[in-house]
Amino acid sequence: DIQMTQSPSSVSASVGDRVTITCRASQGVSSWLAWYQQKPGKAPNLLIYAASSLQSGVPSRFSGSGSETDFTLTISSLQPEDFATYFCQQSKDFPLTFGGGTKVEIK
Amino acid sequence: QVHLVESGGGVVQPGGSLRLSCEGSGFTFRRYGMHWVRQAPGKGLEWVTFIRYDGTYKSYGESVKGRFTISRDNSKNTVYLQMNSLRAEDTAVYYCAKDHGDSQTDDYFDYWGQGTLVTVSS
Repeated sequence: DIQMTQSPSSVSASVGDRVTITCRASQGVSSWLAWYQQKPGKAPNLLIYAASSLQSGVPSRFSGSGSETDFTLTISSLQPEDFATYFCQQSKDFPLTFGGGTKVEIK
Repeated sequence: QVHLVESGGGVVQPGGSLRLSCEGSGFTFRRYGMHWVRQAPGKGLEWVTFIRYDGTYKSYGESVKGRFTISRDNSKNTVYLQMNSLRAEDTAVYYCAKDHGDSQTDDYFDYWGQGTLVTVSS
């Protein structure tokens, strides 16, 4: 199985800050990587797919980059509604696997 | 707009069975693969299973292989998850999720249901 490791596990930031979350795959996944946002009590929401493609309706302050084993999700200017937990997910091979999550908290 | 509505969750004893359903609307259901993803209380996300748009291919996570079965009825726009031999560690919110790819699956989840809680406890 492909293991996905996110860092940090949590980050404290202020509105307007630039936030970067990283995801590392245990083996190369090409660009088969997605990012999701989840708020408490809600289902996850797809932000980025194919490593860098912005899902329809997602604000442009979210961006993704990387390939093979190292990926980054960047929020260019943190907004109040962005405080949530973020997960990466590889779709290169079954079983599909997720990172452990990064909680973005208010500083 | 796309909607996915799960049902069938509840409390079940260890060793018991449960069948979850997920009805889709707002999209051409028969063109899309469907997944189940679960989340144990306070934990991360775990992919459970996938079924191809026409039902001809299925895949399962190791932790549920041999115990869970995914199926679909495209005439009813519904995907099912039959869960047998349930264990305490299967306790989770179960989400059905639509595959992002149209006929050509890409295994990203672009729409999710609201989730249904399954609790395995004596």
